[in-house]
Amino acid sequence: DIQMTQSPSSMSASLGDTVTINCLASQDIGNYLSWYQQKPGKSPKLMIYGATNLEDGVPSRFSGSRSGSDYSLTINSLGYDDEGIYHCHQYYEYPLTFGSGTKLEIK
Amino acid sequence: EVQLVESGGGLVQPGRSMKLSCAASGFTFSNYGMAWVRQAPTKGLEWVATISYDGSSTYYRDSVKGRFTISRDNAKSTLYLQMNSLRSEDTATYYCTREARGYYFDYWGQGVMVTVSS
Repeated sequence: DIQMTQSPSSMSASLGDTVTINCLASQDIGNYLSWYQQKPGKSPKLMIYGATNLEDGVPSRFSGSRSGSDYSLTINSLGYDDEGIYHCHQYYEYPLTFGSGTKLEIK
Repeated sequence: EVQLVESGGGLVQPGRSMKLSCAASGFTFSNYGMAWVRQAPTKGLEWVATISYDGSSTYYRDSVKGRFTISRDNAKSTLYLQMNSLRSEDTATYYCTREARGYYFDYWGQGVMVTVSS
């Protein structure tokens, strides 16, 4: 199975900050990587697909990048609405796997 | 507007069965693969099973293979998950998801809780 090692597990940042969340794939997954935002008690919401493509309706403050097997989600100009848990997900092969999640708190 | 509405969850004893349903609307159901993803309390997301747009192909995680069956009724725009021989480790919120063209999940239902306990 492909392991997705996500870091950090939690983080706290201030309004207006820029933060980066990382996922390391245990083997090559190409650009078959997506990111989801999940707010407390809610279902996940697709933010990024294909490693770098912004889903329709997602603010341009969000961006995704890739360097080899390292994938990153960057959020610029943090707002209170960005608080939640972020999950990475590889859909290169079955079994599909997720990272363990990053809890983002806005101070 | 795409909507996915799960039903059928609740409390069930270990070893018993339960069937989840997901009613889809707002898109042509028969054009999309569908999947179930679960999340145990305070844990991360875990893919459970996927079914192709026409039901001809199904995929399962190892821990549910032989116990769970994913199916669909395209005439009713409904996805199902039959869960047999339930275990305590199956306790989770189960989400119905739509697979986008690239097999990531572009829409999620609100989730349904399944608790396996005696």
